[in-house]
Amino acid sequence: EIVMTQTPLSSPVALGQPASISCRSSQRLVHSDGKTYFSWLHQRPGQPPRLLIYEISNRFSGVPDRFSGSGAGTDFTLKISRVEAEDVGVYYCMQVTQFPYTFGQGTKLEIK
Amino acid sequence: QGQLVQSGAEVKKPGASVKVSCKASGYSFTTYAIHWLRQAPGQRPEWMGWINAGNGVTKYSQRFQGRVTITRDSPATTVYMELRSLRSEDTSVYYCAKGWGLDIWGQGTTVIVSS
Repeated sequence: EIVMTQTPLSSPVALGQPASISCRSSQRLVHSDGKTYFSWLHQRPGQPPRLLIYEISNRFSGVPDRFSGSGAGTDFTLKISRVEAEDVGVYYCMQVTQFPYTFGQGTKLEIK
Repeated sequence: QGQLVQSGAEVKKPGASVKVSCKASGYSFTTYAIHWLRQAPGQRPEWMGWINAGNGVTKYSQRFQGRVTITRDSPATTVYMELRSLRSEDTSVYYCAKGWGLDIWGQGTTVIVSS
């Protein structure tokens, strides 16, 4: 099973300031088809997770362009260029390259 | 992209079974897989298994092998997840999610296991 490790676990950020979350996988996430099936999700309290970024850097439909993803191999990063109030919640990294799908432990973003 | 609507909350006794439904709409049902995950309070999501909605092929996490069954009713565009031999540690919110990338999630179904 691939283990996903996020840092930091908590991130207080002032409105309008940038934020960054890192995720490391215990194995390379390159699939046999050549693609890397690594994603970021966002979860607000009491709501289901919502897909933000897929295949490292592709924003899902409706996701604002202040969110960007990067990385390769085993190291990945989510950046928010300017944090807005609606961005609070928990961010999870996820790999869907190999069964079982696995998630990072989550990073709680809060407004400072 | 579609929508997934799950059945309501359940309270079960230890040893019982629960069956949660996930009604899909707004997309071609048989084209996409449906996955089941669960999330205990304050914890990360945990993947349980998936079903190919087109041909019914399933795959389960080893952690739940033998206790979980995922089925689908194509005319009703609905997928079901049954978990047996419930124990208190199975108390969680259960989610269905669409496609290989889990791009759309159901609203979640709370299952409480308590004597």
